[in-house]
Amino acid sequence: NAGVTQTPKFRVLKTGQSMTLLCAQDMNHEYMYWYRQDPGMGLRLIHYSVGEGTTAKGEVPDGYNVSRLKKQNFLLGLESAAPSQTSVYFCASSQQRGLAGGGVGYEQYFGPGTRLTVT
Amino acid sequence: DAKTTQPPSMDCAEGRAANLPCNHSTISGNEYVYWYRQIHSQGPQYIIHGLKNNETNEMASLIITEDRKSSTLILPHATLRDTAVYYCIVRVGDGATNKLIFGTGTLLAVQP
Repeated sequence: NAGVTQTPKFRVLKTGQSMTLLCAQDMNHEYMYWYRQDPGMGLRLIHYSVGEGTTAKGEVPDGYNVSRLKKQNFLLGLESAAPSQTSVYFCASSQQRGLAGGGVGYEQYFGPGTRLTVT
Repeated sequence: DAKTTQPPSMDCAEGRAANLPCNHSTISGNEYVYWYRQIHSQGPQYIIHGLKNNETNEMASLIITEDRKSSTLILPHATLRDTAVYYCIVRVGDGATNKLIFGTGTLLAVQP
C-alpha cells in the first residue's frame, strides 16, 4: 500500500513550457486535491475532485487545469508555465468518514510533493 | 469557516510535553477542530480532530475549552522527530465541505 504518490519529484521548466503532474492513490478514495505551497506559507488549494470525472476550482485555480479520468489518478496541468508558478505542489486524497461527535468529515492523506521551478 | 490564530513558533525540550495553542473564537457549533503537521519538505500529516470533548490518540491529545473558542494540542513526550509546522484548522463536519484551508501554523522546534 503506497498511499499517495506523485510524479515527478522535481522539475525545472522554462517560461511558456507545459507539463503535467501526476498524482496516484491506491486507497480507493473518492476525493482528491491539488495544493501549492510557497516559501513560508501554508498550503493553498488549487483544484479538487469529488469523484471520477468531476473537478472543481479551489482558492488559486488560475493557470492550472486538472483531470480525473480514473478514480486513482488526478492530473494537474500547466499549459504555459510562469515564474509565479514556482512552488511545491502537494496532492492529497480522502474518504468520507464519521467523526467523533456525530459529524462527517475527511482525513486527508498527502503525497511527498513535487518541487517545480519555472525560470 | 472560522479563522484560527496560532503563535508563529515555539520551543520545547526533548522528552517534555509540547502544548500548542490555537484560538478560534468565531467557531460555530457544527465546526470541528483538526490538527495536521508538516515535517520539513514532506506532505502534511493528519494528527487528530475534535468537536467539543477532549480527544486522545496514539499521536497526541486535543483539549478544547468549554466555550470552544480555543484548543490545545498536546504531544506528551516530544522527540526531535516532532519538529514540524503544526496547523490548526476549523472545518464544518457536514460531509459536504471537504476542503482544508491552511494558515501559516506554528513551527515547533524540539531541542535536545
